[in-house]
Amino acid sequence: GAVVSQHPSRVICKSGTSVKIECRSLDFQATTMFWYRQFPKQSLMLMATSNEGSKATYEQGVEKDKFLINHASLTLSTLTVTSAHPEDSSFYICSARVTNTDTQYFGPGTRLTVL
Amino acid sequence: EDKVVQSPLSLVVHEGDTVTLNCSYEVTNFRSLLWYKQEKKAPTFLFMLTSSGIEKKSGRLSSILDKKELSSILNITATQTGDSAIYLCAVWMEYGNKLVFGAGTILRVKS
Repeated sequence: GAVVSQHPSRVICKSGTSVKIECRSLDFQATTMFWYRQFPKQSLMLMATSNEGSKATYEQGVEKDKFLINHASLTLSTLTVTSAHPEDSSFYICSARVTNTDTQYFGPGTRLTVL
Repeated sequence: EDKVVQSPLSLVVHEGDTVTLNCSYEVTNFRSLLWYKQEKKAPTFLFMLTSSGIEKKSGRLSSILDKKELSSILNITATQTGDSAIYLCAVWMEYGNKLVFGAGTILRVKS
């Protein structure tokens, strides 16, 4: 099946620093990618929709200046958590929608811990 | 408000049992329904269903959509401990730009 990679898989950072997470579709083009956040024992919470070549669409309650999204190509989207705080610690998962289909594949996720 | 409801929320079965997981939806202009399996990491894709009554099958897993009842089931036969996971159901809507997820069903298969 299609592969989506995410890097890094795990990151620990100090409070106040910024962290960048990359999401790549390895064998297909993805005009649209999605960024989710997941807390323990809870379902996925959509943070934003990333569209290649245009601004991301953020869900209600998600700060766009804190969670910067860039979708520079059909295979790469990045999420930057700016000025991270301990409450930003979470499991961040990206997914990529195969262009012109409803099929969506998930990356393996990034565990962020902010000290 | 568009919503996807899964049931049961959790269940425990023994190896070899057959399980049926349910997903019902109330959305505007349904287009397709997807099933995912999530173990320790991110969800892995299982099935995508768009047409009513056509079963999709992969090994011991199968799924079918009933558009009249606005629901889908995921069947797992001869369960194994490796089937233990959270099973997520999600729906695309026509003109929609994002999947709407259910809360998931936690399945635990005991040996």
